[in-house]
Amino acid sequence: RKEVEQDPGPFNVPEGATVAFNCTYSNSASQSFFWYRQDCRKEPKLLMSVYSSGNEDGRFTAQLNRASQYISLLIRDSKLSDSATYLCVVSLYNQGGKLIFGQGTELSVKP
Amino acid sequence: DGGITQSPKYLFRKEGQNVTLSCEQNLNHDAMYWYRQDPGQGLRLIYYSQIVNDFQKGDIAEGYSVSREKKESFPLTVTSAQKNPTAFYLCASRVGQHQPQHFGDGTRLSIL
Repeated sequence: RKEVEQDPGPFNVPEGATVAFNCTYSNSASQSFFWYRQDCRKEPKLLMSVYSSGNEDGRFTAQLNRASQYISLLIRDSKLSDSATYLCVVSLYNQGGKLIFGQGTELSVKP
Repeated sequence: DGGITQSPKYLFRKEGQNVTLSCEQNLNHDAMYWYRQDPGQGLRLIYYSQIVNDFQKGDIAEGYSVSREKKESFPLTVTSAQKNPTAFYLCASRVGQHQPQHFGDGTRLSIL
């Protein structure tokens, strides 16, 4: 079983749609949680950190459920520029705070 | 401008050759990391360093070596022992253990 698992993609949605990504993690030593976005052939860029109480940044909302070991990302009012691969990432408490990456979910927003 | 600089952007390796990828940061971050990304796959950790003159193996360290003689610099050498080196290599750094990592723009390595 992979340590971080994400929804298989790709997700193809029209502009203006709401889209949700789900992620589960298996390592109970996971301490910090993040969503990154990666454009084709580019480096990952931090989208947002995920806090236990849930957090929002404009059209993006992230939720964390530690009991279920589940993380989500909701994108409202999708834009063409949201097209990218979204990576669910956890940081372990041990092993130097190592990051474990999910394989990513590709999102394609169409006009 | 603060950031992480990787060079070169593209690199070609001949059979039996060692090549070194550069990673420099001016963010004053203590921890630095090297990842490898293969097409359609997630990032995998090669080596990391939490402090100068110290580094640890990641999940796929075989065929790679690193050094950390200065806080700003964490070069990665891909040795001839790495039989499948073609990949996108990403360097990252962060200020504290539970802070997000920030990435350089990567080096694409191919075999000639």
